[in-house]
Amino acid sequence: AQSVTQLGSHVSVSEGALVLLRCNYSSSVPPYLFWYVQYPNQGLQLLLKYTSAATLVKGINGFEAEFKKSETSFHLTKPSAHMSDAAEYYCALTPRSNDYKLSFGAGTTVTVRA
Amino acid sequence: DAGITQSPRYKITETGRQVTLMCHQTWSHSYMFWYRQDLGHGLRLIYYSAAADITDKGEVPDGYVVSRSKTENFPLTLESATRSQTSVYFCASSERGGYTFGSGTRLTVV
Repeated sequence: AQSVTQLGSHVSVSEGALVLLRCNYSSSVPPYLFWYVQYPNQGLQLLLKYTSAATLVKGINGFEAEFKKSETSFHLTKPSAHMSDAAEYYCALTPRSNDYKLSFGAGTTVTVRA
Repeated sequence: DAGITQSPRYKITETGRQVTLMCHQTWSHSYMFWYRQDLGHGLRLIYYSAAADITDKGEVPDGYVVSRSKTENFPLTLESATRSQTSVYFCASSERGGYTFGSGTRLTVV
């Protein structure tokens, strides 16, 4: 079975500092991978997705993620945190097949200190 | 408006009652999903549907029933609500690997 593990349920960063959110996946073949963001009392918004083109994927709001097959990882980064980045972040995957079930990690809460 | 709509936005119900959460999409996407969101668990798949009249269980289906008689609607029914089903429920639709989520229904079972 395929699964996603997000390392660290809470991450606190200073405004202007690097944001690094870790995601590892378990899959027999490289899946499609996603990062979503959820602001308080809102739905999920897609930040970026990896579908086997470039391994470095750029998303919205200055975020990017790098797919590393050898490490089975898809970590999310942003060079300089902004107060508006405070939210819940989810890594998710779906198999490279006709199965479109999207499986999520447990989520990482990001707080940004002024 | 185009999109995916969930109703109600908030619901309080009593233990043992039947409650139905509605989900409607305007794109005619083939796939639709129901997730529940709980602290420490992220989003867990309850049921999904690949097309009208085709549904399948996800990770946590017990206590829930779904139907999909029309492509655009995918209601989720709690046949006899329990306190453990207090959660935020998200509906999603998908076509060719793109996913769109509704705004969620916050359900409280008292």
